[in-house]
Amino acid sequence: EVQLLESGGGLVQPGGSLRLSCAASGFTFSTYGMAWVRQAPGKGLEWVSGISSTGSNTYYADSVKGRFTISRDNSRDTLYLQMNSLRGDDTAVYYCAKGGNNGWYYFDYWGQGTLVTVSS
Amino acid sequence: EIVLTQSPGTLSLSPGERATLSCRASRSVSSSYLAWYQQKPGQAPRLLIFGASSRATGIPDRFSGSGSGTDFTLTISRLEPEDFAVYYCQQYGSSMWTFGQGTKVEIK
Repeated sequence: EVQLLESGGGLVQPGGSLRLSCAASGFTFSTYGMAWVRQAPGKGLEWVSGISSTGSNTYYADSVKGRFTISRDNSRDTLYLQMNSLRGDDTAVYYCAKGGNNGWYYFDYWGQGTLVTVSS
Repeated sequence: EIVLTQSPGTLSLSPGERATLSCRASRSVSSSYLAWYQQKPGQAPRLLIFGASSRATGIPDRFSGSGSGTDFTLTISRLEPEDFAVYYCQQYGSSMWTFGQGTKVEIK
């Protein structure tokens, strides 16, 4: 059974940093692209960042480029999101998502999410 | 960046009725790269449809997807009580993924 378990969320002041983790199990982590998707309170889904299976290619939404860094440790089956220079509009539930079996064009499994609140 | 616009914003229907949800792209999208998700309150999104028309594992056949180019549709043939939720379309292109703003299907 595929499982994605996010951790690392919490309350942080504007300008602060957080590192999110996503522990994966139930599939061969090293063979799938992964992504982070967020959802602000009461709002829709927003793709944040993606990383290829080997970690050699990374992609970012314009809203986080230069502030967030995605990475992965295939030896630990874990995905990360380092978030720096956090702003109020980064407040959201952050979901870890697995790329699909038929291509990295969609996400077939999602974690339950971790809440990040940026506030003073 | 391709923008996805979903309509209507809210769909009020009764159980047993047919639901038709629209997703329109600002530029042509490869059908292979169009997906639909369902999200219930307090839950993570669930994949319903990928490649515009392929059902994900375990998805009932009352859910179907169609369309090409800039116009895509998710149809729920007969609404069950558990289908009342928010639905999102999503596309991939130029190393970016974008979502529509969502359509809420509510009980009339």
